[in-house]
Amino acid sequence: AQSVTQPDIHITVSEGASLELRCNYSYGATPYLFWYVQSPGQGLQLLLKYFSGDTLVQGIKGFEAEFKRSQSSFNLRKPSVHWSDAAEYFCAVGADTGNQFYFGTGTSLTVIP
Amino acid sequence: NAGVTQTPKFRILKIGQSMTLQCTQDMNHNYMYWYRQDPGMGLKLIYYSVGAGITDKGEVPNGYNVSRSTTEDFPLRLELAAPSQTSVYFCASSYYYGYTFGSGTRLTVV
Repeated sequence: AQSVTQPDIHITVSEGASLELRCNYSYGATPYLFWYVQSPGQGLQLLLKYFSGDTLVQGIKGFEAEFKRSQSSFNLRKPSVHWSDAAEYFCAVGADTGNQFYFGTGTSLTVIP
Repeated sequence: NAGVTQTPKFRILKIGQSMTLQCTQDMNHNYMYWYRQDPGMGLKLIYYSVGAGITDKGEVPNGYNVSRSTTEDFPLRLELAAPSQTSVYFCASSYYYGYTFGSGTRLTVV
């Protein structure tokens, strides 16, 4: 069965510190992987996506993610967090048809000054 | 350049009432989706559509209905509202891979 696990429900980091959000997936076919960010009261915005090729993908707002097939992981990273990065982050996996995506339960990020 | 527009933004329903959540996209995307988001549960797919006239059930379709008469519109219908349908509902569309989300409808059933 397809599933996405985000083990960290909530993470707190200091502004300027580095960040890594974990994502593990279970998927029967070649996975298409995504990270979304949701600010309070808003919809989800696509940060980055991985389909194939280079396993390190760059996204918007200075985020990057690395696909590790052997670990079934797609962790999101940022070298230096800004206060405006405080939000909810969702990892998602889907098929190449684009019909359906499976979302993790999200990680809430708090940034302290 | 509106993207995906959802109306209303907020709604309170009484048990047993019905309502339609509206969703419109102006990007000519074939794929459209309805998700519900509950605290700590992530997003669950209710229904999706791969084009006008074609819809299919997602993970949690019970209590909902959809139609897709045009490429632009994908309304979600709740016929007999129940407290379990209290949630935030998101409509999304996609062309190839990766969604564009609306800003959501917060629905409370009392």
